[in-house]
Order: sequence, then structure tokens, then C-alpha cells
Amino acid sequence: QKEVEQDPGPLSVPEGAIVSLNCTYSNSAFQYFMWYRQYSRKGPELLMYTYSSGNKEDGRFTAQVDKSSKYISLFIRDSQPSDSATYLCAMSAGANSKLTFGKGITLSVRP
Amino acid sequence: DAGVTQSPTHLIKTRGQQVTLRCSPKSGHDTVSWYQQALGQGPQFIFQYYEEEERQRGNFPDRFSGHQFPNYSSELNVNALLLGDSALYLCASSFPSGGLETQYFGPGTRLLVL
Repeated sequence: QKEVEQDPGPLSVPEGAIVSLNCTYSNSAFQYFMWYRQYSRKGPELLMYTYSSGNKEDGRFTAQVDKSSKYISLFIRDSQPSDSATYLCAMSAGANSKLTFGKGITLSVRP
Repeated sequence: DAGVTQSPTHLIKTRGQQVTLRCSPKSGHDTVSWYQQALGQGPQFIFQYYEEEERQRGNFPDRFSGHQFPNYSSELNVNALLLGDSALYLCASSFPSGGLETQYFGPGTRLLVL
């Protein structure tokens, strides 16, 4: 079993839709949870960073962490064509420790 | 601020050869981590350098080695290249007190092994 499992894709939605991206993990040591966005031929870009269980909102993005269920989600409201990218969840056991990534899901937002 | 820069952008090698990839961290950052991202996969941690020492290492063979220089730039060396080493190699920099939230990734070096 992989430490981090991410819902498989690809995912295609119409502009304006609400998108839900999900990851599960098996390692209880993970304390830091991140979502990255990666455009084609670019490096990953940090979107959301959370430490505790609960919700964190930043504009159209909401990150949700449920440590008891070992489940994290990223919600994108009012999705835009510019949101079309690969989304990666990542986790770490320490503030300066290595990141363990999910496989990534490719999102396409149709105009 | 140029952010994290990596060179070269693309590279083609043949099996058995050796390759060196380079990374310059974002200004003010002193910690460098390297990741390997195979096509269609998430990045996998190779190792991390801080104060010119390897601080953490992932599950990669000894063919993968690295170095950090006094100016915090870093090199990743891969010996005896295999076809399976074909991937995007990402460098990320951060500063220790800032933690993962301060970590920035470079654009990567795309390596193709024939």
C-alpha cells in the first residue's frame, strides 16, 4: 500500500463548477499537508498548506484535513480555465522533512 | 528575485553514462532538496542538503549523489544511468526556520536516457 493515494484522473469540468480533489494516507506520522499545482513543463507551486485538522480557505480554494480518517481534500469554487493543471497532494512528518506526494490528478476546466 | 533556477533544462544521455544537474536556490534560502518525477507520477524525494551536508535521504541507490556548495547551490549526480532514470528532476529550496511553507520548486531538468 502506498503511503499516499490520490483519486485517479483525469478530471474534466465546465467553467464555474465546484471541484473536489481527494487524497488518503496511511502514515500516522504525517502532520503537515499541502496541495501543489503543476502546470505543464513547470515545477510544482504551493497552493495550500495546513497543519491541523479542519478547513483552511484562501480565495476560491479550501483545504480540508481529517486526521482521524487520514483524508485530505481540496475544493475549488467557481473553477476557471486557468485552473487547468495537475494537482498534487503532499504530506510530511516534520516542518523541514521530506515531502511524500500523491500521484497527481490532471484537471481540465472547459470554457 | 530569480527564484529557484536549474540547469540544463533538457538533457539526453545514453545508458551507462553519468550526468550532473545543477540548482541555484532562491535568494535567502540555504536548504536544497532534490526530487525525481517520472512521467504521470508525483515527485519522489531523493535527498536534502543543508550546510553542505546531506541531511535526509530517500529510497534511492548510491548511484544518486549530491553536493552543496558554500553559496548554497547544489548538484545532483547520477552514475551508470538506466532507462528508468528518465524523469523530470526537481530542485526545491527553503530556509530551515521557515519550514515547508517556504519551499519553492524550480522548473526542473528533463532527463531522457536512451
